[in-house]
Amino acid sequence: DAKTTQPNSMESNEEEPVHLPCNHSTISGTDYIHWYRQLPSQGPEYVIHGLTSNVNNRMASLAIAEDRKSSTLILHRATLRDAAVYYCILRDVGTGDTGNQFYFGTGTSLTVIP
Amino acid sequence: NAGVTQTPKFRVLKTGQSMTLLCAQDMNHEYMYWYRQDPGMGLRLIHYSVGEGTTAKGEVPDGYNVSRLKKQNFLLGLESAAPSQTSVYFCASQGAIGYTEAFFGQGTRLTVV
Repeated sequence: DAKTTQPNSMESNEEEPVHLPCNHSTISGTDYIHWYRQLPSQGPEYVIHGLTSNVNNRMASLAIAEDRKSSTLILHRATLRDAAVYYCILRDVGTGDTGNQFYFGTGTSLTVIP
Repeated sequence: NAGVTQTPKFRVLKTGQSMTLLCAQDMNHEYMYWYRQDPGMGLRLIHYSVGEGTTAKGEVPDGYNVSRLKKQNFLLGLESAAPSQTSVYFCASQGAIGYTEAFFGQGTRLTVV
């Protein structure tokens, strides 16, 4: 599986935008970029995913570099409820076994300052 | 719609005891996963299943067994619990790989003394 690299931690002021980076220099053409987050004492929850184009949903935006070797999760206005660990994960939809596996790294721990 | 339900939510075992954790999903998903999460760490994949009757090993399968006799259920077994298996266990399900979202249960906190 292609790997991702994220900063261990980040801080943001409440109500300001947050840009969470992820590097995935060995991404393949069949890898989707997924983001999940884990609130304290809860299971991970889906945030957003994309392949090549930028994506928006009610929770966040995903900006994907043109060469797809990096991406950025954007929270437009951070709230205290957004304090969580954010995971950037690649999911392969190609043939073979690798697409079935679903690996998490250590993620980025986001602190939101009131 | 319950989503993914894990049973039990908490359990304390003595070393050497056995137990089974149950994961149930009501979304007709093909893919199911079991993870463990140790304090301050990310999730590590134990075993997974790509459909009814199938199972496969993940990153840390030793000491665990799994079964998927019914599509909606994925069982994780500990035959002889060890203190190193003290962890929070999460189950997840997904309809199709790559381009759909996965849903996670709320976790099972297991302590082995």
